[in-house]
This record gives sequence, structure tokens and C-alpha cells, in this order.
Amino acid sequence: EVQLVESGGGLAQPGGSLRLSCEASGFTLSSYGMNWVRQAPGKGLEWVSYISSSGTTIYYADSVKGRLTISRDNAKNSLYLQMNSLRDEDTAVYYCARAHDFWSAYDYWGQGTLVTVSS
Amino acid sequence: NFMLTQPHSVSGSPGKTVTISCTRSSGSIASNFVQWYQQRPGSAPATVIYDDNLRPSGVPDRFSGSIDSSSNSASLTISGLKTEDEADYYCQSFDNSNVVFGGGTRLTVL
Repeated sequence: EVQLVESGGGLAQPGGSLRLSCEASGFTLSSYGMNWVRQAPGKGLEWVSYISSSGTTIYYADSVKGRLTISRDNAKNSLYLQMNSLRDEDTAVYYCARAHDFWSAYDYWGQGTLVTVSS
Repeated sequence: NFMLTQPHSVSGSPGKTVTISCTRSSGSIASNFVQWYQQRPGSAPATVIYDDNLRPSGVPDRFSGSIDSSSNSASLTISGLKTEDEADYYCQSFDNSNVVFGGGTRLTVL
């Protein structure tokens, strides 16, 4: 069974940092691209970042460029999102989502981890 | 970058048919595939339509997708409405190195 489990969310101060993780099981992570998608409370979905299966291709939404960094460790079956210089508007549930490549639909999603940025 | 515009809400009675539109603001709707995701309250999104009109296994054939180049829009049609279809629905597409989601449509089954 394919599973994606996010962790690492919590409360952070503006300007602070957090590192999110997404542990994959039930499939070979190295065969798939991965995404982070977020959803602010009561709002819609917003794509955050994509990383290719090998990690060589990375894209970011303009709203997070220079502050959030996606990475992966296929040997550990894990995806990461390093979040620096956090802002109030980064408050959201963060989902990791699997895709065959950048142009593919997201066929599996995790249950999400909540990040709250507040002083 | 382009935008995808969806109606804020739609509603229908059990057994009826509803259609949710998704209009692309610039560039052709046919230039990149459109996906549709269903999100029930308190749950993660799930794909109901991918590559404009394909259904993942397990999604009933009551769900169908299409694109219309004349209106530069995509549509999700749900026939034979069931109470379990009540959810938020999001369209999604791509442009160069960017992914765009529509604002979402709340479907209420009356």
C-alpha cells in the first residue's frame, strides 16, 4: 500500500525555520517526482515546489523562492522541505504528493502537517 | 503566469447532474493537461480526473472531464449525484515551470 506520511510541522515565529519531512512507503521513491502543496486555513490549494525523481530538476512557486528548499533522500525513502525566513502567510497544512513527473497528476497525497507562523 | 477561475459554489439534488467550469486566463487550455481533485472535509485531496478526461481506477464513471477551446475552459461533470460527492473540487494545470490550481468549487448536494 502506498503511503506518504508528513511530519515536522508546528509553531514557528516569523523569521524562524522549520524542516518538514515526508516518509514514503509501499513504492520505490526513486522512480517518482514529488511535490509539496499547501493549503492555508479555509483557503484553496497552492503548489509550493517540485523535485524530480533523481533530484536534478527543482521548481518553486514565486511566493517561496529563496526561502523554502526542497530535497530528497531516496535511500531513506524521504522528501524534505526546509523552510527559512518564515512569514505569517506560510501558515498552512503542507501536503506531499507523488507524481510520475512534473507534468503528471498527483496520484497519492499524504494527510498533511500543519505549520503555524505566529509570534 | 495564468490563472484558473472556478465558480465559488455549485449545488444539485441527488441523482441530478452538475458541471464545474475552470477557465484559463491566458494561453490555450489545450496546451497543458488539466487535472481535477476532490477534497472532502478534513481529508487530503484525491484525483478524480487526470489528463483532461481520464479517470483513475476506482473513480466511478459518473465523473467525466472535458476541455473546450472555444471558451478556453475545462469542465468536470458529475452525473447521478450522491451525497458522498459533496466536497471541494479543484482544477489544476501547468505552465513552463509553474503549477496552477483553480480557487476551488464547493459542491453541495441538496
